[in-house]
Amino acid sequence: EIVLTQSPGTLSLSPGEGATLSCRASQSVSTSYLAWYQQKPGQAPRLLIHGASSRATGIPDRFSGSGSGTDFTLTISRLEPEDSAVYYCQQYGSSPRTFGQGTKVDIK
Amino acid sequence: QVQLVQSGADVKKPGASVKVSCKASGYTFTSYYIHWVRQAPGQGLEWMGLINPTGGRATYSQKLQGRVTMTSDTSASTVYMELSSLTSEDTAVYHCAREITVASFSSGYDAFDIWGQGTMVTVSS
Repeated sequence: EIVLTQSPGTLSLSPGEGATLSCRASQSVSTSYLAWYQQKPGQAPRLLIHGASSRATGIPDRFSGSGSGTDFTLTISRLEPEDSAVYYCQQYGSSPRTFGQGTKVDIK
Repeated sequence: QVQLVQSGADVKKPGASVKVSCKASGYTFTSYYIHWVRQAPGQGLEWMGLINPTGGRATYSQKLQGRVTMTSDTSASTVYMELSSLTSEDTAVYHCAREITVASFSSGYDAFDIWGQGTMVTVSS
């Protein structure tokens, strides 16, 4: 099973700043099958990035993904108040599919 | 529009079983794999398994193997997830989720772009 470790646990930032979220895998993620999701309280997760760097439909270009192998990054530029959420990475290249434990982003 | 609509919240006693439904609309039901993901209160996301609605072949997480069954009813465009021998550790929100790409290309290995609204299952005596 591929274990995904996200860091930091929490980010507290101001509107307009940038955020860098990390996701490290215990072994190489097949064909960069790595996704990022945003989840707000009481809502289902929302797909942001798939294939490590491809934005999902309707996702603004403030969100970008990069990385390969075992190290992946989600970058959010020009933070807006509505970006406050928990962000999860997921690998879907092997079974079981696994998620990281999440990074909480607070925008104050 | 493309959507997955799940059945309502449920309360079960320990040892019982629960069956959650996930009705698809707005797309060709048989063309996409459906996965199930659960989230215990205040916790992260846990993948439970997936089903190919065409033919109903399912693959389950090893952790839940033997307790979980996923089925499909193509006439109703609905998939079902049944979990048996419930304990308090099964208290969670259960989500169904559809893959981005059609099944013939993804083979079940894809990210999830459409999610159901979630079904809260509470296990309590």
